[in-house]
Amino acid sequence: DAGVIQSPRHEVTEMGQEVTLRCKPISGHDYLFWYRQTMMRGLELLIYFNNNVPIDDSGMPEDRFSAKMPNASFSTLKIQPSEPRDSAVYFCASSRSYSNQPQHFGDGTRLSIL
Amino acid sequence: GQQLNQSPQSMFIQEGEDVSMNCTSSSIFNTWLWYKQDPGEGPVLLIALYKAGELTSNGRLTAQFGITRKDSFLNISASIPSDVGIYFCAAFYEGGADGLTFGKGTHLIIQP
Repeated sequence: DAGVIQSPRHEVTEMGQEVTLRCKPISGHDYLFWYRQTMMRGLELLIYFNNNVPIDDSGMPEDRFSAKMPNASFSTLKIQPSEPRDSAVYFCASSRSYSNQPQHFGDGTRLSIL
Repeated sequence: GQQLNQSPQSMFIQEGEDVSMNCTSSSIFNTWLWYKQDPGEGPVLLIALYKAGELTSNGRLTAQFGITRKDSFLNISASIPSDVGIYFCAAFYEGGADGLTFGKGTHLIIQP
């Protein structure tokens, strides 16, 4: 079975530009998670969805960040406008349940804001 | 929120040596997971533990869910070069608001 698919794998853009990260979860997984990974803070949960509905966005750092899940097979994480401190690796993960099934991760998007 | 204290932060070992790392917490958990992350890739699930005291193996990897439900360890026997990477523990408390909590990771480096 295909795993979680993220695109693009790498993104380099100038500050102030809009950035859109994309994720296709594993089919049949009802939960989708967006994480950010940095050396300083490790893995941070930004937001998660259940059946396409955002449940907890308390980890989203600022209003510049937004996430959508228009259907069960697609989600986006958008940053507008982007800033250099947003540079990180962003991971998408999916799972069958929230609290007792492992999350499966994509390979991430490495984002560099110049 | 719940925190996992993962140690050691990094390990420098010789090929062929055994490896041991652990995670502890002041909170109790219902599920422990161990992930490995290779450079440029996402974390990959190695072992999942669902019951206190459970001991599970996956090839050269062995992990245990502590009897107090507050800790877990991961052992790797006879390390090989491809074991290099970052190992993360993660844990759930079912019904908890925090969801999946991650440790900070153990960097495993194998010296030739």
